[in-house]
Amino acid sequence: DAKTTQPNSMESNEEEPVHLPCNHSTISGTDYIHWYRQLPSQGPEYVIHGLTSNVNNRMASLAIAEDRKSSTLILHRATLRDAAVYYCILRAGYGQNFVFGPGTRLSVLP
Amino acid sequence: EPEVTQTPSHQVTQMGQEVILRCVPISNHLYFYWYRQILGQKVEFLVSFYNNEISEKSEIFDDQFSVERPDGSNFTLKIRSTKLEDSAMYFCASSDYFPDTQYFGPGTRLTVL
Repeated sequence: DAKTTQPNSMESNEEEPVHLPCNHSTISGTDYIHWYRQLPSQGPEYVIHGLTSNVNNRMASLAIAEDRKSSTLILHRATLRDAAVYYCILRAGYGQNFVFGPGTRLSVLP
Repeated sequence: EPEVTQTPSHQVTQMGQEVILRCVPISNHLYFYWYRQILGQKVEFLVSFYNNEISEKSEIFDDQFSVERPDGSNFTLKIRSTKLEDSAMYFCASSDYFPDTQYFGPGTRLTVL
């Protein structure tokens, strides 16, 4: 799997938008961009994924750069429950394992 | 909403003992995985399982580990002779063929004394 780079930590105020960046300059044409998060003492949780176009779901939005070398996970209104480690992962094929990096630890301040 | 379940939530064992960690994947999923996370460290892949056989395994998954799908619902990870360094959270995950999103269970905390 291609490598991703994320900031170690970020901070946000409650009810403000959060933009979590991810660089993946060596992404290949078939790599999907996945975002997972891990709340304290829980298993990783799916957030969103995409290939080329921007994606929206009830949890977040994913903005993918035109050259696909970077992407941004957008939480529109951060809540205290969004405090977690967020992982950006690239995967090329079905059934392949995820390679988790250290992720970005998001702190949400009340 | 369907979810992956794992039992037990916490397992304490003595070094050298065998443990079996159990998972019930989401019922229509085809791919099954085990990951582990040592306290304070990143999530690490152990093994993936498809069509009743191991499809991929990491260097961590040595001869002391084995996986099995003994019936149509359970997926188990066996550690034959536990070591202190096996103490970790063990997460089971499952996915369908498409859209290939992996759903993780809540984990089993294994403590080896």
